[in-house]
Amino acid sequence: DVVMTQSPLTLPVTLGQPASISCRSSQSLVYTDGNTYLSWFQQRPGQSPRRLIYKVSNRDSGVPDRFSGSGSGTDFTLKISRVEAEDLGVYYCMQGTHWPYAFGQGTKLEIK
Amino acid sequence: QGHLVESGGGVVQPGRSLRLSCAASGFTFSIYLMHWVRQPPGKGLEWVAAISYDGSFTYYADSVKGRFTISRDNSKNTLYVQMNSLRPDDTAVYYCARDVAGDSTTWGQGTLVAVSA
Repeated sequence: DVVMTQSPLTLPVTLGQPASISCRSSQSLVYTDGNTYLSWFQQRPGQSPRRLIYKVSNRDSGVPDRFSGSGSGTDFTLKISRVEAEDLGVYYCMQGTHWPYAFGQGTKLEIK
Repeated sequence: QGHLVESGGGVVQPGRSLRLSCAASGFTFSIYLMHWVRQPPGKGLEWVAAISYDGSFTYYADSVKGRFTISRDNSKNTLYVQMNSLRPDDTAVYYCARDVAGDSTTWGQGTLVAVSA
């Protein structure tokens, strides 16, 4: 099975400053159709998960453009250009290329 | 965008069974891959199971294989998961979700399952 590893697990940030989360998979996430099914989710306290990014770099509807995704193969990154207070919560990467699907452990974004 | 509402959660004793339902509305349910994802209290997300648009293919996490069965009724726009031989470590909020890796996803609010004597 594919294992997803995120780092760091806790990310202290200063409001207005950039932030970056890394996600690595134990095998390539390139599917036979040429797509790479790597997604990023945000979960605010007490809320359901909300997907931000799909297929590495595509923003979901309504997601602010300060969020961006990049990467290829086994290494992926979520970047927030300027952290706002509403961005605090836990972020998860997820692979949807190989069965069974798998989430990373989560990265908690908190105020420094 | 669509809407998903889970139901059927509650407190159940170890070894017993429970069936969760997820009612879909606002989108064409019958064309989408559907999933169950769970989250134990204070812990991370765990993908549980998925079913193809027509029910012909099902996929499971190793942790639930042989105990959980995912199914769907496209005539009722409803997704199910039958959970047998429940264990304390199955305690979690269970979310249903549409096409978690595809071009358009929607998640429900979740239903809590607590396995306790």
